[in-house]
Amino acid sequence: DAKTTQPTSMDCAEGRAANLPCNHSTISGNEYVYWYRQIHSQGPQYIIHGLKNNETNEMASLIITEDRKSSTLILPHATLRDTAVYYCIVRVLPNRMGAQKLVFGQGTRLTINP
Amino acid sequence: DSGVTQTPKHLITATGQRVTLRCSPRSGDLSVYWYQQSLDQGLQFLIQYYNGEERAKGNILERFSAQQFPDLHSELNLSSLELGDSALYFCASSVGDHTEAFFGQGTRLTVV
Repeated sequence: DAKTTQPTSMDCAEGRAANLPCNHSTISGNEYVYWYRQIHSQGPQYIIHGLKNNETNEMASLIITEDRKSSTLILPHATLRDTAVYYCIVRVLPNRMGAQKLVFGQGTRLTINP
Repeated sequence: DSGVTQTPKHLITATGQRVTLRCSPRSGDLSVYWYQQSLDQGLQFLIQYYNGEERAKGNILERFSAQQFPDLHSELNLSSLELGDSALYFCASSVGDHTEAFFGQGTRLTVV
C-alpha cells in the first residue's frame, strides 16, 4: 500500500470547516483513499473513502486532486465532538473475496476549540 | 455502535499468564481483523481472518495466536504475557467484498 503523509496536529475553531490534508504521491491507479478517525481510545470509526471522484456523505467530504497525489478531508461544521486523530489510508480494493488489511500511520490529531 | 462486540472490556492479569480476547463481528461480516494499540502508539495490524481462514499476518508475536470459528466469532490468545503487552486490542470486521471495516470498542489489557 502507498505511503501517506499527514500533519501531526491541527487546530480548528468550532463551527468552522476543518480541512485535513493528506499526501499520497506514490498512490497507484487501483488504490483507494480511506479516512478513519479515533476519538480518545475508542475504536476507529470509518468516515469516507474514494478513488478519484470527490465524495460526500453525512459525516464529511473527500476531495481528491486530479493527479490523485493528495486529498483533503473536509468536516464542514466542526464540533467539539470531532476532536480526534484522523487517519488517511490508501489501499487496494481487493479483486477477490476478502477485504485487505488497513495499515494505519500516525494520523493528524485534530483539536476543535470552542 | 459499530455492531462489533469485544469482550472483556478490561482485563488485568499478571506476567506469564495467558488470556483470551473475544470478538463477535457484525452480522454477515466474514472478515475479522485484530489490531494492537500500545500507549501513545499507532494501531498495529496483527492478523486477519476471512471465513475461518487466515488471510493476512502483520506484526504478531509468536506468543500470540488467533482463530476464527465457524460462527465467525474470533478469539485472540495471548500467552506468556509481558508488561509490554499492555495495550488496547481492537477487533474489526468487514463484509467480504466490501472494504469499510468497523471496529469494536476494544479490550484494554493491563499486565502487572
